[in-house]
Amino acid sequence: QKEVEQNSGPLSVPEGAIASLNCTYSDRVSQSFFWYRQYSGKSPELIMSIYSNGDKEDGRFTAQLNKASQYVSLLIRDSQPSDSATYLCAVNSNDYKLSFGAGTTVTVRA
Amino acid sequence: NAGVTQTPKFQVLKTGQSMTLQCAQDMNHNSMYWYRQDPGMGLRLIYYSASEGTTDKGEVPNGYNVSRLNKREFSLRLESAAPSQTSVYFCASSELGRWTEAFFGQGTRLTVV
Repeated sequence: QKEVEQNSGPLSVPEGAIASLNCTYSDRVSQSFFWYRQYSGKSPELIMSIYSNGDKEDGRFTAQLNKASQYVSLLIRDSQPSDSATYLCAVNSNDYKLSFGAGTTVTVRA
Repeated sequence: NAGVTQTPKFQVLKTGQSMTLQCAQDMNHNSMYWYRQDPGMGLRLIYYSASEGTTDKGEVPNGYNVSRLNKREFSLRLESAAPSQTSVYFCASSELGRWTEAFFGQGTRLTVV
């Protein structure tokens, strides 16, 4: 079983819609959870971090965490063409190890 | 304001050749990391250096060696390249455990033929 699993996609949404990305993790002691955005041919950039159960909102992005279900999600509201990218879920269970999912590619149709 | 700089950006090697990927950061971070990214696999940790003078294996260290030359520089060496090492390599730096402040380099696209 992979440590971090994401819905493989690709995910295509119309401009203005909500894109919903899901991630599950296997290590129950994980403490920190991150979403990275990666444009094609570029390096990952951090867009959200979440540490406690519930929702965390930052602009058009909302991260949701449910530790009991070992589940993290990212919602992108009012999706824009500039949101077209691969989104990587990452989970940190100790100081050095950040485990990544395979990523979900999102395409926003104008 | 360079952040994390990797060289080279692209490289083609023949099987059995050796090469060193260079990484330098100017943010005074103690910890540096090397990842590889393959299609459908996400990023996987090869080696990391928690602080100057220390290095440790990550998930996929076989076929690689590293050197933490000083606080700024962390190099990754392929002694005898294999086609399975065709990948995109990313260097990253942070303070240990502070992943909200981690920065990634631009990546090195390596092809082994």
